Amino acid sequence: DTAVSQTPKYLVTQMGNDKSIKCEQNLGHDTMYWYKQDSKKFLKIMFSYNNKELIINETVPNRFSPKSPDKAHLNLHINSLELGDSAVYFCASSQRDRKNIQYFGAGTRLSVL
Amino acid sequence: GQQLNQSPQSMFIQEGEDVSMNCTSSSIFNTWLWYKQDPGEGPVLLIALYKAGELTSNGRLTAQFGITRKDSFLNISASIPSDVGIYFCAGIAGNQFYFGTGTSLTVIP
Repeated sequence: DTAVSQTPKYLVTQMGNDKSIKCEQNLGHDTMYWYKQDSKKFLKIMFSYNNKELIINETVPNRFSPKSPDKAHLNLHINSLELGDSAVYFCASSQRDRKNIQYFGAGTRLSVL
Repeated sequence: GQQLNQSPQSMFIQEGEDVSMNCTSSSIFNTWLWYKQDPGEGPVLLIALYKAGELTSNGRLTAQFGITRKDSFLNISASIPSDVGIYFCAGIAGNQFYFGTGTSLTVIP
């Protein structure tokens, strides 16, 4: 009964490939997020979606595109992968009328070779 | 986006010692949170604070919402090896959510 689940947990791919990471939450939250954690462990927000509307996009390259088929899912598509995309990507969700506290998935470790 | 400053950046302590870390910001927040990230996992919420001056405990962990609303503190008493990980503070103001830079804790048995 995992609250926020991401797949895959590990993703190893070649430069130039296109890949997707999936995220699902069963908490009934109305907002979902994607974060990138770099080698220094800083958590940098990439996107958030509320009611299928993108409300944050923090200077992320347009090779990254979030897709939300419904409010329980927010998938991350990455085109033309680059070496610098290697990082751990976290999905999170929150509910605006419940203090907006975010709950995180276990992360996807992306390695671009 | 804004990032909250946490200190210390890393700590190496002996098992049984107490730990203190803090988080500061130039902005006021309505909610302060503390998360722990175990190696290979995502951040897990430890404590949530909603009022200035509030002191809240969760087992051996105690956190405080600073009076100025610009800082928060986390203390861990009698550390054990499983306390190892990265501790993140987070501040919420309206719909804005900001993470701290993290404190890496290593506990030496």
